[in-house]
Amino acid sequence: AQKITQTQPGMFVQEKEAVTLDCTYDTSDPSYGLFWYKQPSSGEMIFLIYQGSYDQQNATEGRYSLNFQKARKSANLVISASQLGDSAMYFCAMREAQDSNYQLIWGAGTKLIIKP
Amino acid sequence: EAGVTQFPSHSVIEKGQTVTLRCDPISGHDNLYWYRRVMGKEIKFLLHFVKESKQDESGMPNNRFLAERTGGTYSTLKVQPAELEDSGVYFCASSLLGSSSYNEQFFGPGTRLTVL
Repeated sequence: AQKITQTQPGMFVQEKEAVTLDCTYDTSDPSYGLFWYKQPSSGEMIFLIYQGSYDQQNATEGRYSLNFQKARKSANLVISASQLGDSAMYFCAMREAQDSNYQLIWGAGTKLIIKP
Repeated sequence: EAGVTQFPSHSVIEKGQTVTLRCDPISGHDNLYWYRRVMGKEIKFLLHFVKESKQDESGMPNNRFLAERTGGTYSTLKVQPAELEDSGVYFCASSLLGSSSYNEQFFGPGTRLTVL
């Protein structure tokens, strides 16, 4: 069964608009962490934001915020005031505490293109 | 401080040949992970080292793949003989040893492998 689902293979957004990238997850572990990574065309994987399952507040990092809805098992990434440099692949990932390896489980990614 | 580095950045080989990918983690990071993304699919975990020991290699596709981390520093991933389906981007990540579910993995830029 898919543990991380990103339903948007691609998105076009006008520059300066806000954009929401969807991510739903599936786990029976009560303790887990959710991550978003950005992969620009240059290829490197850049960590953006983290949300722990027990965190009371939604995570924020600059223009990035995570809309964490635990009951719905969703962890959508919100990018405010999008910029041309935000064009990239975005991956949602999860780590379950019961996995002693702490391996990341990944979604398929969303390709975001910001239009000028 | 240097980040995770991977070599080569690109490799194009013919089916049946051997390729060795190298990853140098961040100094002091005992955890080292290999992931792979086949075109259009999710990033998949391959294996996890803690220092020089293989903690989990359940994600390795088959016995054509051999990973080593002699001395607990850099790691190599050898594919022998390479098949067409091995094409993809191979990512390496490293992290500090720790029990927190938030244990950020730092990624290298990846090696893009193309098997013709």
